[in-house]
Amino acid sequence: DQQVKQNSPSLSVQEGRISILNCDYTNSMFDYFLWYKKYPAEGPTFLISISSIKDKNEDGRFTVFLNKSAKHLSLHIVPSQPGDSAVYFCAANVRNSGNTPLVFGKGTRLSVIA
Amino acid sequence: DAGVTQSPTHLIKTRGQQVTLRCSPKSGHDTVSWYQQALGQGPQFIFQYYEEEERQRGNFPDRFSGHQFPNYSSELNVNALLLGDSALYLCASSATGTGAYEQYFGPGTRLTVT
Repeated sequence: DQQVKQNSPSLSVQEGRISILNCDYTNSMFDYFLWYKKYPAEGPTFLISISSIKDKNEDGRFTVFLNKSAKHLSLHIVPSQPGDSAVYFCAANVRNSGNTPLVFGKGTRLSVIA
Repeated sequence: DAGVTQSPTHLIKTRGQQVTLRCSPKSGHDTVSWYQQALGQGPQFIFQYYEEEERQRGNFPDRFSGHQFPNYSSELNVNALLLGDSALYLCASSATGTGAYEQYFGPGTRLTVT
């Protein structure tokens, strides 16, 4: 049973345009959500996170939106750059009662075309 | 400041053999978590070590075991290797003692079982 789902295995976007990566979750206990970026031959790198008490968090070109009622979050990258081409993982865990392990989605491969 | 380091980078083993993977956490971190990432999948939590004890464990058989040393470095041992154990093994460190739960990942060890 996949608790974190990324239904789009890949996404292609033109340089300068907006990239929107989506993630759905089923476990209503999750209260913390993260996005990681992974380049080949490297480990995942933390990108941005959001607590369930918020519905938006912004960091430079990256914004994460959380819709708790829909159990859905999305990562917006504006403007997209060729260096953003990587695999993006959505992850979630429970932090209000300790710190449970991260549960990851399968990832979405983003290709930004110059 | 060195980040999370893992060794070796690549490893080829035969079915039935045993393997040991090593991880040194980021400076100042006291907790090490291990993840298995199979091809086309997101990382899956194996177990977490804190204060030299296994604190949490994912859905992995007892063939997977680990250890944490007084300097916070950690080992992952896998016995009786199966073909299905072929994967990228990721180590992540965090600073539980300070309440900083963000996990920083190493580059991983690519294990191939033939």
